[in-house]
Amino acid sequence: SQQGEEDPQALSIQEGENATMNCSYKTSINNLQWYRQNSGRGLVHLILIRSNEREKHSGRLRVTLDTSKKSSSLLITASRAADTASYFCATVLRGGADGLTFGKGTHLIIQP
Amino acid sequence: GAGVSQSPSNKVTEKGKDVELRCDPISGHTALYWYRQSLGQGLEFLIYFQGNSAPDKSGLPSDRFSAERTGGSVSTLTIQRTQQEDSAVYLCASSHNRGSQETQYFGPGTRLLVL
Repeated sequence: SQQGEEDPQALSIQEGENATMNCSYKTSINNLQWYRQNSGRGLVHLILIRSNEREKHSGRLRVTLDTSKKSSSLLITASRAADTASYFCATVLRGGADGLTFGKGTHLIIQP
Repeated sequence: GAGVSQSPSNKVTEKGKDVELRCDPISGHTALYWYRQSLGQGLEFLIYFQGNSAPDKSGLPSDRFSAERTGGSVSTLTIQRTQQEDSAVYLCASSHNRGSQETQYFGPGTRLLVL
């Protein structure tokens, strides 16, 4: 079953603009991770935020986590055409198996 | 070093046939995972191996699916008597250790089409 739900399902912006994607989940987690996928193949890990962290940065990426609202956001600043991809949040359930539970993803299109 | 590799890249088979999908994890990674991605179901966790321990099979969709991991390294996912609904991309991932704080590194996937 899907733990995370990304929002929006699709997002199209102009190159140079910022892109924000949101993820909500249902149960307690150990951490939340964001992945990128190009052309429906391998997933690339972007960033991991632990349940006791509230914000994390990596290059042009900024991730926030609000465990009280069971939500996370991924911000990509100064977007580039190469950022066009599908973005997924994934959670590891506290006390659960170590397999990741993925949301349905946000398809991001950067218009040149 | 080399990333996770999977073979074949693509596989077309007829309904009812058995298929084997292979995954080579990153050298030194003790944890290995299989996932499936399909249009209808999104990304689903299938099975997880940690070293030579018994696998966590909680995500396998039916008893037609099985997996093994030889010598704590290479893994094979076997689907017996394939059905059209098995058509999907099968993704393998590995991580350095077991643990919910570990990053999982994914292979390019095997695209399976059951006719």
